[in-house]
Amino acid sequence: DQQVKQNSPSLSVQEGRISILNCDYTNSMFDYFLWYKKYPAEGPTFLISISSIKDKNEDGRFTVFLNKSAKHLSLHIVPSQPGDSAVYFCAAFTVNRDDKIIFGKGTRLHILP
Amino acid sequence: ETGVTQSPTHLIKTRGQQVTLRCSSQSGHNTVSWYQQALGQGPQFIFQYYREEENGRGNFPPRFSGLQFPNYSSELNVNALELDDSALYLCASSKPQVFNSYNEQFFGPGTRLTVL
Repeated sequence: DQQVKQNSPSLSVQEGRISILNCDYTNSMFDYFLWYKKYPAEGPTFLISISSIKDKNEDGRFTVFLNKSAKHLSLHIVPSQPGDSAVYFCAAFTVNRDDKIIFGKGTRLHILP
Repeated sequence: ETGVTQSPTHLIKTRGQQVTLRCSSQSGHNTVSWYQQALGQGPQFIFQYYREEENGRGNFPPRFSGLQFPNYSSELNVNALELDDSALYLCASSKPQVFNSYNEQFFGPGTRLTVL
């Protein structure tokens, strides 16, 4: 049973435009939601997080929105740049439950020139 | 500051064999978590080690075992390898736990294991 779902395996966006990556979850007990970015031959790197008590968190070009009633979150990247081409993992975390991070399957983002 | 390192980078084994993967945590980090990432999937939590003891385990059989050493480095051991064990194995380290907050996990580049 997948607790974190990313239903789009891939997404192509023109350079300079907005990239929107979506994620759904089923477990209402999650305390934090995370986005990780992964380049080939590298480990995932943490991008941005949001607490379950917030509905928005912004860090530079990256903004994460959380809609708890819909159990949905999204990552917005504005403007998209060529270096943003990577696989993006949505993940969730319950505090003090062995720090286990639950990952989605990932969305491959292609930024087109 | 040295990041998380893993060895070896790649490994090929045959069914039934045993394998040991190694991870050196980032300086100042005392917690190590291991994840398995199969092709086309997200990383799946195997287990976590904190102060040399297992501190949580995912849905993996006992033939997946681990160790953490006094310097906080860690090993993942897999016995009786199966074809489905072919995956990227990721290690992540984090700082001493703070109650009721998220401790960012820093990932290594992974070890690609192929079981033939």
